[in-house]
Amino acid sequence: EAQVTQNPRYLITVTGKKLTVTCSQNMNHEYMSWYRQDPGLGLRQIYYSMNVEVTDKGDVPEGYKVSRKEKRNFPLILESPSPNQTSLYFCASSLHSGVAGEYEQYFGPGTRLTVT
Amino acid sequence: KQEVTQIPAALSVPEGENLVLNCSFTDSAIYNLQWFRQDPGKGLTSLLLIQSSQREQTSGRLNASLDKSSGRSTLYIAASQPGDSATYLCAVNSRSLGGSRLTFGEGTQLTVNP
Repeated sequence: EAQVTQNPRYLITVTGKKLTVTCSQNMNHEYMSWYRQDPGLGLRQIYYSMNVEVTDKGDVPEGYKVSRKEKRNFPLILESPSPNQTSLYFCASSLHSGVAGEYEQYFGPGTRLTVT
Repeated sequence: KQEVTQIPAALSVPEGENLVLNCSFTDSAIYNLQWFRQDPGKGLTSLLLIQSSQREQTSGRLNASLDKSSGRSTLYIAASQPGDSATYLCAVNSRSLGGSRLTFGEGTQLTVNP
């Protein structure tokens, strides 16, 4: 089954304790991205990746890191989490981003992160 | 910078009604527009994707239209059912430094009452 998976689905942690949220897709998609969803602010893009070893900042990259060593995986790293990073996080992928940009985006189930 | 607005923010209707959700965007230079459904605490399910060259797309009881020049899209739901209760998100795919970028509206929370 074609899908985007995220782990963990729920995470409660403390300020300053490094964490990684994994994202994996099995559709051979080139483009992957991370979003956070907050009440009143909607979904905002954190980072995106056009392909292996190609990543760039989205709208709200501060406090986050990403890596794209393999095509299927795009982990989100919080080196020193803070309470303002408490949010619902989504990973997404599409076949390409590209100039045409006509490709549908597929979303993972979300990771609810609480930082105390 | 692309901005997406959805009206209304919330809508409550009796079962069986036909309804329309609205989405507007500020920059008409888009690649496509996608409608999603989100159930509470869950991920996003893609409902319909309309390319910039298209006027509408249909899937079952759902019909989405796109008027790129006026910066508007509507999602029409026919014969609504309680199972349609969810938040509906509109997302516009437009040009960015990284090729393209999805910009989301804040959604319309729909409740269909039995």
